[in-house]
Amino acid sequence: QSALTQPRSVSGSPGQSVTISCTGTSNDVGGYYYVSWYQQLPGKAPKLMIYDVSKRPSGVPDRFSGSKSANTASLTISGLQVEDEADYYCCSYAGSYTWVFGTGTKVTVL
Amino acid sequence: EVQLVESGGGLVQPGGSLRLSCAASGFTFSRYSMNWVRQAPGKGLEWVSYITSSSSTIFYADSVKGRFTISRDNAKNSLFLQVSSLRDEDAAVYYCARDQDLTFFDLWGQGTLVTVSS
Repeated sequence: QSALTQPRSVSGSPGQSVTISCTGTSNDVGGYYYVSWYQQLPGKAPKLMIYDVSKRPSGVPDRFSGSKSANTASLTISGLQVEDEADYYCCSYAGSYTWVFGTGTKVTVL
Repeated sequence: EVQLVESGGGLVQPGGSLRLSCAASGFTFSRYSMNWVRQAPGKGLEWVSYITSSSSTIFYADSVKGRFTISRDNAKNSLFLQVSSLRDEDAAVYYCARDQDLTFFDLWGQGTLVTVSS
């Protein structure tokens, strides 16, 4: 149950695009289509942003998108906005009713 | 309003125990499997435990197996986590989270803080 690997931080100016990678193994990210992404503002609970690799819940702006290739999933924020500054975590189902989260990425809007 | 509200956190000595609770409202609690996820101060999220809607299936992360016990009371719309033999590394905010058929966590509580210190 090792954590999925994410970059510690990414940054961009308003309007730019940033992409966060999430690397696991064939036992988690590569083995299931159940990758989700969560946004966490300081002192707040995580909020679901993407599920099933690329689906957006109602209310999440369409500038957030997800994808997956082999053992690596990605979250892209297009048209970065100031309110997008937060920590982001990926998560994958890992079989046998267990889940594994990513190490987390801090997104900074310059 | 659809929500989860945790309680029961606090300061406990190493080796001690606590019972965390999560009160659900605004949805049919008995239809959903539930989880506990924790976050140590300044650290990332860690999945802790899972329980099906009927309590028939329960799983734990290796880091807490044998020390933590998850349970639920559907009649009272409540989820519980008995945390025992606490270690320094168990100090964290503990969140309860609803999952959708093993795929993602769509509803989270605000968390309850467990501090382990002598």
